[in-house]
Amino acid sequence: DAGVIQSPRHEVTEMGQEVTLRCKPISGHDYLFWYRQTMMRGLELLIYFNNNVPIDDSGMPEDRFSAKMPNASFSTLKIQPSEPRDSAVYFCASSTTGGVFSNQPQHFGDGTRLSIL
Amino acid sequence: TQLLEQSPQFLSIQEGENLTVYCNSSSVFSSLQWYRQEPGEGPVLLVTVVTGGEVKKLKRLTFQFGDARKDSSLHITAAQPGDTGLYLCAGAQGAGGTSYGKLTFGQGTILTVHP
Repeated sequence: DAGVIQSPRHEVTEMGQEVTLRCKPISGHDYLFWYRQTMMRGLELLIYFNNNVPIDDSGMPEDRFSAKMPNASFSTLKIQPSEPRDSAVYFCASSTTGGVFSNQPQHFGDGTRLSIL
Repeated sequence: TQLLEQSPQFLSIQEGENLTVYCNSSSVFSSLQWYRQEPGEGPVLLVTVVTGGEVKKLKRLTFQFGDARKDSSLHITAAQPGDTGLYLCAGAQGAGGTSYGKLTFGQGTILTVHP
């Protein structure tokens, strides 16, 4: 089975440009998560969706960041305008609803390495 | 806000040595997951522990969940260069919790095992 697919794998762009990151979750998974990873701050949850509906976007750093999930098989994370401090690796992950104690494990994509010059 | 503190942040050891990574919180979690991440890839689940006091073994890796479900440890016996990577603990709330479905990740432990 295909895992979580993210594109692009690498993105280098100039400050002020719009950046769109894409994610295709594993088929049948009803949760989708967007994370940002840096050496300084580790892995930070930005936003997550359940059944295509945003549940918690408290981790989105600023209004420059927005995320959508128009259907169960696709999500985007957009940064507009981008700034150098947005440089990081962005991960998408998906999971299914689990039992009483927790969800099933999160399956991560290989990430998008974003560099803003 | 639930926080998970991992220690140590960095660990550099020789092949064959033993090591322990700790994950601590003041919050109670319904379950705790351990992930391993290699360069250029996303984290991959190693194990989930659910019951307080639970111990799980995965070959040379031993995972323990604290009795109060606030802390966990990962012990590696006779480390090998292939164990090198970033180890992350992540706590989850159970059904009925306001954050069900969401994981709280620790900062991670970067392990380097030298041949």
